[in-house]
Amino acid sequence: GQNIDQPTEMTATEGAIVQINCTYQTSGFNGLFWYQQHAGEAPTFLSYNVLDGLEEKGRFSSFLSRSKGYSYLLLKELQMKDSASYLCAVVDSNYQLIWGAGTKLIIKP
Amino acid sequence: IAGITQAPTSQILAAGRRMTLRCTQDMRHNAMYWYRQDLGLGLRLIHYSNTAGTTGKGEVPDGYSVSRANTDDFPLTLASAVPSQTSVYFCASSDSEGGTTDTQYFGPGTRLTVL
Repeated sequence: GQNIDQPTEMTATEGAIVQINCTYQTSGFNGLFWYQQHAGEAPTFLSYNVLDGLEEKGRFSSFLSRSKGYSYLLLKELQMKDSASYLCAVVDSNYQLIWGAGTKLIIKP
Repeated sequence: IAGITQAPTSQILAAGRRMTLRCTQDMRHNAMYWYRQDLGLGLRLIHYSNTAGTTGKGEVPDGYSVSRANTDDFPLTLASAVPSQTSVYFCASSDSEGGTTDTQYFGPGTRLTVL
């Protein structure tokens, strides 16, 4: 079967750095997405990785290791507005998105 | 309008009733999708359409039907609602015709409660 694993919840302090991990086992791999979802709102696109390595975009970075079936999202200089759920999704061999359940990130002052 | 709109925003429905959730996009995207999101579970694909005139079944299609008469609209119909269909429903679109990895953009969602 296909499986995406993420921690259910994480807590971090304003101004700090947090790393949200995602491991996957899917039928094929055609890329990995990270989305941000604030409570009661729609998911919004953060990043896409298809090659191994780190992609940096401002305060957010995303890393991929295809051989390990592993990705992480790194958030730096945390702000209160970063409190949200972060969704990991893998594009499988049929080009369908397989979604993790999401990680709820709580930022404390 | 810009992006994707969904209607209604929320709805309480009696079991056994028929309900259509509406989705419209103005980005001229080829592909559209319907997902449901339940607490503790990832987004699950109900149905999709790679281009106008075609539709396909996702992971959880039972009890739902869709149509894609034109590029902009992709309604989702529950023929006879059941309580297990209580969920938040998201419509999404992407500028692809299947077989690609284009980013999906989401509408604001419809919160549906079936009693």
